[in-house]
Amino acid sequence: GENVEQHPSTLSVQEGDSAVIKCTYSDSASNYFPWYKQELGKRPQLIIDIRSNVGEKKDQRIAVTLNKTAKHFSLHITETQPEDSAVYFCAAIINNAGNMLTFGGGTRLMVKP
Amino acid sequence: EAQVTQNPRYLITVTGKKLTVTCSQNMNHEYMSWYRQDPGLGLRQIYYSMNVEATDKGDVPEGYKVSRKEKRNFPLILESPSPNQTSLYFCASSLARANNEQFFGPGTRLTVL
Repeated sequence: GENVEQHPSTLSVQEGDSAVIKCTYSDSASNYFPWYKQELGKRPQLIIDIRSNVGEKKDQRIAVTLNKTAKHFSLHITETQPEDSAVYFCAAIINNAGNMLTFGGGTRLMVKP
Repeated sequence: EAQVTQNPRYLITVTGKKLTVTCSQNMNHEYMSWYRQDPGLGLRQIYYSMNVEATDKGDVPEGYKVSRKEKRNFPLILESPSPNQTSLYFCASSLARANNEQFFGPGTRLTVL
């Protein structure tokens, strides 16, 4: 089955710096890659996603890049703010039918003021 | 208000005592799923449902049952809970298939003694 690995497990940055979280996946047929943000005690919420027909997608301070050949995708957050502190999860579709999501283990991002 | 609800939010029970966690969505979504969240393991899919009377196993289905008799409801049943099922459980729904934004419920924290 699909395997999604996420690194690092924890990341501490200074406010205003950039943060990068990386994920690798095993199934070359995977074609959908979302990122979810989970604040402490809250439910996960989608922040950005990318499909396999594009290599990069941006939304204000957040961007995701996809390298299908290497089977990895990354989340980039620029000009980090304290409210960006949360756990971030990457995910990938497990099969061609698009029925199952496999999540990475999560990255706890801490933005220090 | 469009939302996914779960009940109960917190539950402490004993080994072997059958329990049901309810999940309901009011967005007319076809796809619903259950995840468990454990530290360092991310979100792991237990079961998913493509539509009414269509359910299938996720990555960790052992010890769980589900049913989808109505489009809006997707209960999770633990016939004989064990301590290794102590976890934080999330229900989620999306318009169709897993390759769309997943809307998560608030979570149910289950402790099995």
